[in-house]
Amino acid sequence: GEDVEQSLFLSVREGDSSVINCTYTDSSSTYLYWYKQEPGAGLQLLTYIFSNMDMKQDQRLTVLLNKKDKHLSLRIADTQTGDSAIYFCAERRAGNNRKLIWGLGTSLAVNP
Amino acid sequence: DGGITQSPKYLFRKEGQNVTLSCEQNLNHDAMYWYRQDPGQGLRLIYYSQIVNDFQKGDIAEGYSVSREKKESFPLTVTSAQKNPTAFYLCATIPHRNTEAFFGQGTRLTVV
Repeated sequence: GEDVEQSLFLSVREGDSSVINCTYTDSSSTYLYWYKQEPGAGLQLLTYIFSNMDMKQDQRLTVLLNKKDKHLSLRIADTQTGDSAIYFCAERRAGNNRKLIWGLGTSLAVNP
Repeated sequence: DGGITQSPKYLFRKEGQNVTLSCEQNLNHDAMYWYRQDPGQGLRLIYYSQIVNDFQKGDIAEGYSVSREKKESFPLTVTSAQKNPTAFYLCATIPHRNTEAFFGQGTRLTVV
C-alpha cells in the first residue's frame, strides 16, 4: 500500500459528515475506487470515479478527485452507525493487467 | 444468484499441513485474484489469473500455489512452506469491461 496512502483512523459523531482522504502517486491512474469492508466480511464497492472526472455524487456519498495533487476524498453525509467500517481506496493504472493498488484502509468509527 | 463463493468461512490448520481454499464464481468474469489481509496491512496480492490455464505471481506468492483449470474456479493452496499463514484470505474477480473488482466473503485461516 505504499503508493496509495490513507489515514488509518477516523472518528465522527452520528449525523455529522465524514471525509476520508487518499493520496496516490501514479498519474497514469485510470480509475479510482472506494470500497467498504465490514468486520469479517469481504469488500463491497461503494463507488468509483474515472480519472477524467472531478466529482461524483451518489446519494450520501460524494467523491472528489484532484488530479493535480493526486488526491481523492470520500465524503459521507449524515453518517450513521451502520457506516462504521474500514474504507479502502484503490487505483487502477493504465496497462497494469487489471491489478488494483490498495491503500491500507481507514477505520471509521461512528459514535452515537 | 450470481456471485463469488469462498469456502470454508473458517479454516484451522496444523503446522506442516497443506490446505486448499476454494473460490467459485458464476459471474463469467475473466480475471480472478487472491489477496491476503492482515491487520493494519491492507490487501496484498498473492496470485492472479486472467484466463483459464494461466496465472501469475503477485507480491507475496511464496508458500502458495494456485490452479485455473476452469473459468469458474481458482483454488488457493497454502503450503507448509508458508511460514505465517494465519490471515484473512479474499478472492476477487474482475469482468472483461475492466472496471470494478467483486469480492467473496473471505476465508479466515488459523494455524493451530
